[in-house]
Amino acid sequence: KNQVEQSPQSLIILEGKNCTLQCNYTVSPFSNLRWYKQDTGRGPVSLTIMTFSENTKSNGRYTATLDADTKQSSLHITASQLSDSASYICVVSAGNNNDMRFGAGTRLTVKP
Amino acid sequence: KAGVTQTPRYLIKTRGQQVTLSCSPISGHRSVSWYQQTPGQGLQFLFEYFSETQRNKGNFPGRFSGRQFSNSRSEMNVSTLELGDSALYLCASSGRGRTNTEAFFGQGTRLTVV
Repeated sequence: KNQVEQSPQSLIILEGKNCTLQCNYTVSPFSNLRWYKQDTGRGPVSLTIMTFSENTKSNGRYTATLDADTKQSSLHITASQLSDSASYICVVSAGNNNDMRFGAGTRLTVKP
Repeated sequence: KAGVTQTPRYLIKTRGQQVTLSCSPISGHRSVSWYQQTPGQGLQFLFEYFSETQRNKGNFPGRFSGRQFSNSRSEMNVSTLELGDSALYLCASSGRGRTNTEAFFGQGTRLTVV
């Protein structure tokens, strides 16, 4: 079983709408959690990175939350744009060696 | 500051051949990790190099190997290519620290095995 589960698998929204992507993890011991955006055929680009003590971090229209007690994170996208169409990958690092565990990603499509 | 550079961007090889992919990390970064990404499996960790030493290895067959040079540039090699090796190969570099260190990805090399 994957230690990082993302939902939904895919999502279609209209331009201008908000959406929230979910990430649940069982990775232990927890080091940090990152959200990446990956355009088709390109490398992932970091959006946010959060440690155990952080429960919210924003990057423009992207806001990530972390609940380390329930081992859940969410990525909220506000006022979506067509360029937000991409895969969003949740990555949780374990222990002291930065061993990264990847979620399968959520494929977001923003339609005009 | 230049980002992570991977070459070539695209590659087509025949089954049974071998291939070498290159990754130049961000200047000053000493850690380079390699990943395989396929539509069905998502991102899977291949191996990580730090200061020319393999630090971690994923669950891939011995046909997949890598190395890192003194200037931190890294190569990965796949021998006896199989159709299932078709994938996007990504490398990521990170700095000196081992925890909470940002990992920066390259654009990837798209390998197609025919």
